[in-house]
Amino acid sequence: AQRVTQPEKLLSVFKGAPVELKCNYSYSGSPELFWYVQYSRQRLQLLLRHISRESIKGFTADLNKGETSFHLKKPFAQEEDSAMYYCALRSYGGSQGNLIFGKGTKLSVKP
Amino acid sequence: NAGVTQTPKFQVLKTGQSMTLQCAQDMNHEYMSWYRQDPGMGLRLIHYSVGAGITDQGEVPNGYNVSRSTTEDFPLRLLSAAPSQTSVYFCASSSSGTSGYEQYFGPGTRLTVT
Repeated sequence: AQRVTQPEKLLSVFKGAPVELKCNYSYSGSPELFWYVQYSRQRLQLLLRHISRESIKGFTADLNKGETSFHLKKPFAQEEDSAMYYCALRSYGGSQGNLIFGKGTKLSVKP
Repeated sequence: NAGVTQTPKFQVLKTGQSMTLQCAQDMNHEYMSWYRQDPGMGLRLIHYSVGAGITDQGEVPNGYNVSRSTTEDFPLRLLSAAPSQTSVYFCASSSSGTSGYEQYFGPGTRLTVT
């Protein structure tokens, strides 16, 4: 079964510290993975996707098929990074347009 | 482009009442979905549609109905509201085209059932 696990409900760091938000997935084929971000009381928006291999707002994520992980990293956290972060896996059952989301990690960056 | 729009933004219902949450998109996306967001549960798929006239159930469909008569609109109906349906509801759309299934989300509807 396809599944996304984000083990941390809350991650609290100080400004300037490195950040790593963990994401593990369960899927036997070639996964398509995304990170979405939701700032306070706003809509979810795409942060990055693994196939584009880009860096957005200083964040990067590398797909590790051996460890079935897609952790989100940033070397120096900023206060404006405080938000909910969701890892998502494209669904290959039912509709390929759907995503399977993890439960999310709330990142809090303290001054 | 307005993207994905949802109305209303907030709604309070009494147990047993019915209502429709509206969702529209102007990007000509074939896929549309409804999710509910609950604390500690992430986003869970309620219903989805792969095109006009075609809908299917997601992970948590009970108590909700959908229809898709046009590409643009995908309303979600609560038949008889229950306190367990208190949640934030997000509509999303995506396409298999150049955006490669990237989901675009609406601003959400915050529903409280008393």
